Amino acid sequence: QKEVEQNSGPLSVPEGAIASLNCTYSDRGSQSFFWYRQYSGKSPELIMFIYSNGDKEDGRFTAQLNKASQYVSLLIRDSQPSDSATYLCAVNGGYNKLIFGAGTRLAVHP
Amino acid sequence: GAGVSQSPSNKVTEKGKDVELRCDPISGHTALYWYRQSLGQGLEFLIYFQGNSAPDKSGLPSDRFSAERTGGSVSTLTIQRTQQEDSAVYLCASSLDLAGQGYEQYFGPGTRLTVT
Repeated sequence: QKEVEQNSGPLSVPEGAIASLNCTYSDRGSQSFFWYRQYSGKSPELIMFIYSNGDKEDGRFTAQLNKASQYVSLLIRDSQPSDSATYLCAVNGGYNKLIFGAGTRLAVHP
Repeated sequence: GAGVSQSPSNKVTEKGKDVELRCDPISGHTALYWYRQSLGQGLEFLIYFQGNSAPDKSGLPSDRFSAERTGGSVSTLTIQRTQQEDSAVYLCASSLDLAGQGYEQYFGPGTRLTVT
């Protein structure tokens, strides 16, 4: 059974701090990794994807992938209250079917 | 450009009735996916269509659930003899699905199904 694990949170960080969201996966053959943001009552929104080991930066977001440790993370710099949402980690589970983690709820407080 | 669209946005139905949910993917996207999300839960994969290939139905929870995709574009998810446990948000996503790239899936706004 291929699994994607995330801490459910809530992860509470002050405004302006760095939020660090973590995800581990069980299928060592996974090649593609995605982070989605989901506001309450809304559908998931793709914010980052990463295919290669190392870091990928996009604005305030950095995705980090370590395939040897089967670990992917998302860093959000200068966190804003508008970043408060549930962050879903997803891993390619073969034939492009994504396996989603249950999500980590992030709360950024002023 | 236009994103993934779904209809209806909300559907309330009585237990035992059949429902049809529609998804219109992003133009040019060859792959289409259906997911289900129950209140406070994660995303549950239901079915995947890629071009003219046979769909991956491995996530359908029972034979009351079926889906089709006509002309490689619009898809309809049908739930027969609905049960209360079918109440959830049904999400559709599409992707380019090109070898080596384009696996990113983009979601529609979802259909909230309530079975009374």
